[in-house]
Amino acid sequence: GENVEQHPSTLSVQEGDSAVIKCTYSDSASNYFPWYKQELGKRPQLIIDIRSNVGEKKDQRIAVTLNKTAKHFSLHITETQPEDSAVYFCAASGVAASIIQGAQKLVFGQGTRLTINP
Amino acid sequence: GAGVSQSPRYKVAKRGQDVALRCDPISGHVSLFWYQQALGQGPEFLTYFQNEAQLDKSGLPSDRFFAERPEGSVSTLKIQRTQQEDSAVYLCASSAGGQETQYFGPGTRLLVL
Repeated sequence: GENVEQHPSTLSVQEGDSAVIKCTYSDSASNYFPWYKQELGKRPQLIIDIRSNVGEKKDQRIAVTLNKTAKHFSLHITETQPEDSAVYFCAASGVAASIIQGAQKLVFGQGTRLTINP
Repeated sequence: GAGVSQSPRYKVAKRGQDVALRCDPISGHVSLFWYQQALGQGPEFLTYFQNEAQLDKSGLPSDRFFAERPEGSVSTLKIQRTQQEDSAVYLCASSAGGQETQYFGPGTRLLVL
């Protein structure tokens, strides 16, 4: 089945600097890659997602890039702010069987704890 | 509109006790997922419903775990004879379709003593 690796596990950056989180996946059939932000004790919230028919997507300070050949995708946050501090999870859609059934079973990375230092 | 809701938010159970966790998806969402999130880890898939049909239960860790969605709306995750290793946050997510964005509920934090 699908396996997603996420790095780094912790990341500390100065306010205003950029942060980059990287993920690799194993199943070449995966075609959907969302990123979730989870604050302590809160629900995961989608911040951006990308499908395999595009290589890059941007939404204000947040961008995601996808390299299907290398099977990796990255989250880029520019001009970081203290409210960006949280745990970020990447995910990839699940095995082909679930896709046939119509379900995007998500397989998550281990998470990156991002701290923005003022 | 209202998002995904879950109840209870917190549950403390004694080992061996049965528990039932409820999920109210976003109105009209046909797809419903359950995930288990251990402390410091990413969510892990448990099971998936399309309307009332349970199409994938490959992530359920044992036969003590059972999920249902009898009317294609509210879902219940039941854990029988709870064990300490069942302690985790149980997240529910719903989407308008199987390949659409999944919206998560706040989770139920289960602690088994």
